[in-house]
Amino acid sequence: TQLLEQSPQFLSIQEGENLTVYCNSSSVFSSLQWYRQEPGEGPVLLVTVVTGGEVKKLKRLTFQFGDARKDSSLHITAAQPGDTGLYLCAGAVGSGGGADGLTFGKGTHLIIQP
Amino acid sequence: EAEVAQSPRYKITEKSQAVAFWCDPISGHATLYWYRQILGQGPELLVQFQDESVVDDSQLPKDRFSAERLKGVDSTLKIQPAELGDSAMYLCASSFQGIVTGELFFGEGSRLTVL
Repeated sequence: TQLLEQSPQFLSIQEGENLTVYCNSSSVFSSLQWYRQEPGEGPVLLVTVVTGGEVKKLKRLTFQFGDARKDSSLHITAAQPGDTGLYLCAGAVGSGGGADGLTFGKGTHLIIQP
Repeated sequence: EAEVAQSPRYKITEKSQAVAFWCDPISGHATLYWYRQILGQGPELLVQFQDESVVDDSQLPKDRFSAERLKGVDSTLKIQPAELGDSAMYLCASSFQGIVTGELFFGEGSRLTVL
């Protein structure tokens, strides 16, 4: 069973501050995805990273996949109240055929205070 | 915009009763997943379908849970009998080709409370 550890579990910061959340595993993943989930809603995909060392930017969000494809980070610059939510990382071990359900971490609960 | 539809949004039941959840994936999505999310935790995969076939149900408690996707389109997840520990959000998701090559789209979920 692949285990994804996310840290911190909870984070509350002021608007305008920067933050980084982490997703770590002892397993190698073929791809890793980050999702954001609001209360009472399903997760929504933010990004998929596939290549070791890959960096992707989505406005104020920067995602990095570790060189060994075992870990990832999400950095938010100048956080805004609208960034509040549960951030989930999810890893895949499949190659596109057969069983390839995602393994999710427990998430980071992020609160951005105005 | 195409969405994954789930019903009911909320279900309250007593233990030992039967419950069923329905999911209609985005049209054309061959892969369908059922996840369970306990409050404060990440989703856990229960079952994965490719068209009408079960690809992975290794984490599905088969003594009380069942899932089907008879025509390869919509799907039903059933729990009988429900237990207190089954209280959770049940999420359905679909993808066009699977998560390695495509995005996973989630529905809004069905929140189950077992009393």
